[in-house]
Amino acid sequence: DAGVTQSPTHLIKTRGQHVTLRCSPISGHKSVSWYQQVLGQGPQFIFQYYEKEERGRGNFPDRFSARQFPNYSSELNVNALLLGDSALYLCASSRDTDTQYFGPGTRLTVL
Amino acid sequence: RKEVEQDPGPFNVPEGATVAFNCTYSNSASQSFFWYRQDCRKEPKLLMSVYSSGNEDGRFTAQLNRASQYISLLIRDSKLSDSATYLCVVSPLYNQGGKLIFGQGTELSVKP
Repeated sequence: DAGVTQSPTHLIKTRGQHVTLRCSPISGHKSVSWYQQVLGQGPQFIFQYYEKEERGRGNFPDRFSARQFPNYSSELNVNALLLGDSALYLCASSRDTDTQYFGPGTRLTVL
Repeated sequence: RKEVEQDPGPFNVPEGATVAFNCTYSNSASQSFFWYRQDCRKEPKLLMSVYSSGNEDGRFTAQLNRASQYISLLIRDSKLSDSATYLCVVSPLYNQGGKLIFGQGTELSVKP
């Protein structure tokens, strides 16, 4: 079975731009969570979606938004990029409340 | 204070050594506890769940002390392939429902 997939793998943007990151969960998984991992730190929770509804939100500014589609794939959008948004963005999927499986991540560099 | 705090690293040990990682968490209402492993520039992968009764998986032993809000991971007979960053993870809900709260990670380097 295919694991969690994310696209793109790498991305370079400049300050003020907007970015959209995509995630496809494992087949049969209805929950998708997003995490930001800054170099040298552990991942930090951004959002969780289950059955297209937002189930949880971390301490991130409104520039960060997300949605989940009927096929359970998800997008993370970040507006007005700042240098500090440079990070590895991880998507994790799960059936519901069980183990979360992480995708390979999207490495975002903001110049 | 960070919600989950781990020993600062890196830990540099020879092959065959025993190494212990410690972690504390601040929210006494936390329900689920885990250790994840993350290889350089890769995604985190679940190593093991941690239970109050303690649990063992081969060379790995995890312990949880709810009263002290303390979690540990012991690796015996270290292998070169154990070199990675070990992340202590706490969840406010049973299993992993909702968000996972990660520590900053402790890097382990096992040398020949």
